[in-house]
Amino acid sequence: NFMLTQPHSVSESPGKTVTISCTRSSGSIASNYVQWYQQRPGSSPTTVIYEDNQRPSGVPDRFSGSIDSSSNSASLTISGLKTEDEADYYCQSYDSSNHWVFGGGTKLTVL
Amino acid sequence: QVQLQESGPGLVKPSQTLSLTCTVSGGSISSGGYYWSWIRQHPGKGLEWIGYIYYSGSTYYNPSLKSRVTISVDTSKNQFSLKLSSVTAADTAVYYCASGAAAGPDYWGQGTLVTVSS
Repeated sequence: NFMLTQPHSVSESPGKTVTISCTRSSGSIASNYVQWYQQRPGSSPTTVIYEDNQRPSGVPDRFSGSIDSSSNSASLTISGLKTEDEADYYCQSYDSSNHWVFGGGTKLTVL
Repeated sequence: QVQLQESGPGLVKPSQTLSLTCTVSGGSISSGGYYWSWIRQHPGKGLEWIGYIYYSGSTYYNPSLKSRVTISVDTSKNQFSLKLSSVTAADTAVYYCASGAAAGPDYWGQGTLVTVSS
């Protein structure tokens, strides 16, 4: 199996752009789709990116996803930061046995 | 849009079996293409996948929990369920049901806190 490693926390100012990384420990990041979830305090997670770079309807285009095979990582980029973006963000993928794997989560602070 | 709601006891004694049900609305649990899953979150921690079931009955479980987990579907009630046996305090968590594709969940329930304590 593999692990997905995320930075524990990131912070940025309103209006700026932030990128959260998600590094796969073994196997290719491109082998299996990566999803990203936003969890605001006291709420359940919601999907902000699916299948590496697809946005569900209702998610603003300020949110984008990508993968980088050279660093074996996926990234979530949020541009034009708003205070409402302050939340925990989790990446998730799956292995060859269709077992889901979550990253440890990144706390985004917008200050 | 599919909506999910967890229900079940909020307090379970050690060594007993935790049982939760997820009621699905806005879609049929027996329609193909959806995976019905359980995910938990220990207090102040990250997300942990427990397992999921396909409408056909095929199940996939987290290897670390597999010996204690059973996920089943009741199509007549449009519900699916989680049973986790031999619980300890380490199983205290918020339990979420979710639905989605094989790649990952799309829709999540609001979550229910289950505390394991005597």
